[in-house]
Amino acid sequence: QVQLVQSGAEVKKPGASVKVSCKASGYTFIRYSMHWVRQAPGQRPEYMGWINAGNGDTKYSQKFQGRVTITRDTSATTLYMELSSLRSEDTAVYYCGRDGIRADGYMGYWGQGTLVTVSS
Amino acid sequence: EIVLTQSPATLSLSPGERATLSCRASQSVRNYLAWYQQKPGQAPRLLIYDASNRATGIPARFSGSGSGTYFTLTISSLEPEDFAVYYCQQRGNWPQYSFGQGTRLEI
Repeated sequence: QVQLVQSGAEVKKPGASVKVSCKASGYTFIRYSMHWVRQAPGQRPEYMGWINAGNGDTKYSQKFQGRVTITRDTSATTLYMELSSLRSEDTAVYYCGRDGIRADGYMGYWGQGTLVTVSS
Repeated sequence: EIVLTQSPATLSLSPGERATLSCRASQSVRNYLAWYQQKPGQAPRLLIYDASNRATGIPARFSGSGSGTYFTLTISSLEPEDFAVYYCQQRGNWPQYSFGQGTRLEI
């Protein structure tokens, strides 16, 4: 079965960077696009960006352009999201997601989430 | 940026009743809209994609309709496990995908 297992919680200081990983298993990694979404406490989810796991092409939401980098390691079937210049407003749960079956652009499978706390 | 506005903010119903949730887009997203269910401490779960298609494993009591700027999610007969927060998400403006603010469905 499809599984997305994310790295553990992080505490960072303002101005630092964070890199979250998402290990995929149970399917052919390069066949599906992947996404990153974050959700601050009590808030709606917020879309961050997309990667074609096959060729590595990326697209980022305008809000995060210049601050977020999404990469993947096909040999390790692992997805990464790095967010730089962290500020307190970046405190949120960060989720990786995979396209659903016949549902491109929608997250049919989700990781368990990684809490990133930004605090001085 | 396409803004999604969901209504109502909270919907109070009982098991067995019918629930109708709405999502309005600030501009047309064609049929590129999904619905998710989220329970406390869990990731969202995809229910409906492209406005009216049920995702894998989703019960038939969930249905979606609409196109353009107005969409609805209907739960025909509420089960106890359906009480949660529901979000709509558009993919009509790639990669500026966005989510609605959510509807809390409570007993």
